Amino acid sequence: NAGVTQTPKFQVLKTGQSMTLQCAQDMNHNSMYWYRQDPGMGLRLIYYSASEGTTDKGEVPNGYNVSRLNKREFSLRLESAAPSQTSVYFCASRTNSNTGELFFGEGSRLTVL
Amino acid sequence: AQSVSQHNHHVILSEAASLELGCNYSYGGTVNLFWYVQYPGQHLQLLLKYFSGDPLVKGIKGFEAEFIKSKFSFNLRKPSVQWSDTAEYFCAVSRSGNTGFQKLVFGTGTRLLVSP
Repeated sequence: NAGVTQTPKFQVLKTGQSMTLQCAQDMNHNSMYWYRQDPGMGLRLIYYSASEGTTDKGEVPNGYNVSRLNKREFSLRLESAAPSQTSVYFCASRTNSNTGELFFGEGSRLTVL
Repeated sequence: AQSVSQHNHHVILSEAASLELGCNYSYGGTVNLFWYVQYPGQHLQLLLKYFSGDPLVKGIKGFEAEFIKSKFSFNLRKPSVQWSDTAEYFCAVSRSGNTGFQKLVFGTGTRLLVSP
């Protein structure tokens, strides 16, 4: 079982470039999430998808877009990258149960120059 | 909106010392509570969770946490830490109940360094 798989693991962008972070889970989970992790700020929710076909903004959605392509896949897009988006990005998934734990991917380290 | 506070940002302990990491949340309703751990260079993993029943919850690797509703707290404890416990620890909260989907909100984390 692969769990939650993110690609790429590392990426360097120039300001203004665009890119998409891919995430896929094989646990048949309904809900999926994108977080960013920054020193001293913990994990902040960017966007989430409670179920296939729905997406909602989290705490820090500005500068990002998401697509819930199907039940397995949830991508995060940066249309015009900015240095403030330099971070480690984590995708996660869980069942719809509010008692369910989040399963995380291994993270994608993005640097915007 | 609910929020989660972890007041200890950095903790340094010697091996065999006891550990207690604080976590407080701001939501007044029924909640589900989680502690996650992130070892250096790895992704977050669940240590333990509470959603009902006995307020003292035992997790993996000898960790436990106590839910004190009157104090809005869910502190993490371990009687005797090991060098391998060096990691960052995150508390997280979501609302519970039949009110539809509830997202998980994380605290800012506590970095624990255990010296041998």
